[in-house]
Amino acid sequence: ETGVTQTPRHLVMGMTNKKSLKCEQHLGHNAMYWYKQSAKKPLELMFVYSLEERVENNSVPSRFSPECPNSSHLFLHLHTLQPEDSALYLCASSQGLGETQYFGPGTRLLVL
Amino acid sequence: AQTVTQSQPEMSVQEAETVTLSCTYDTSESDYYLFWYKQPPSRQMILVIRQEAYKQQNATENRFSVNFQKAAKSFSLKISDSQLGDAAMYFCAYRSFDTGNQFYFGTGTSLTVIP
Repeated sequence: ETGVTQTPRHLVMGMTNKKSLKCEQHLGHNAMYWYKQSAKKPLELMFVYSLEERVENNSVPSRFSPECPNSSHLFLHLHTLQPEDSALYLCASSQGLGETQYFGPGTRLLVL
Repeated sequence: AQTVTQSQPEMSVQEAETVTLSCTYDTSESDYYLFWYKQPPSRQMILVIRQEAYKQQNATENRFSVNFQKAAKSFSLKISDSQLGDAAMYFCAYRSFDTGNQFYFGTGTSLTVIP
């Protein structure tokens, strides 16, 4: 595997389910990001981690819970989501905060 | 907060021709980064080009070049000799230094390349 990978690629869940999105970067980077991409809206930065510590949390609802166990892995734990949370969730990494980001292919999430 | 505006939701270009995608941004900062990212139908976002605000020289990357007008807060992307593989959504992004580690993206421009 090279670059940034995300699993699963597609996810359908009910509002009462609990699921997790996984991101792994193979680039030796030390910063990782979660974004939400909705149709016709700008990409929304959700969380930023640097050296496994969360440095930004952009007023994201608590039903989204990130976890960064090491510099290569990033998770987004989901629980009691709403239909408006349906979107493409993108993970990215960079070597240094604010530097050029490399994106994963995304997880297409549908909340029923 | 900084905003990034891409006023062209859709653009089209004939293969081998040149097209320019526009981007403007609103900021009071003097130092920042600007990016153009490309998102093909496969969804993997790819960096096209990056510009540091302190550099006066416009960034170029093969067929891709930017026209960075700092005073006008404009950052347009020019694609020369367009190819079918250039068809994608193009996002302009702004990296703030003053407001922590924030990135701001535009809503994107969908580029169609006509054979």
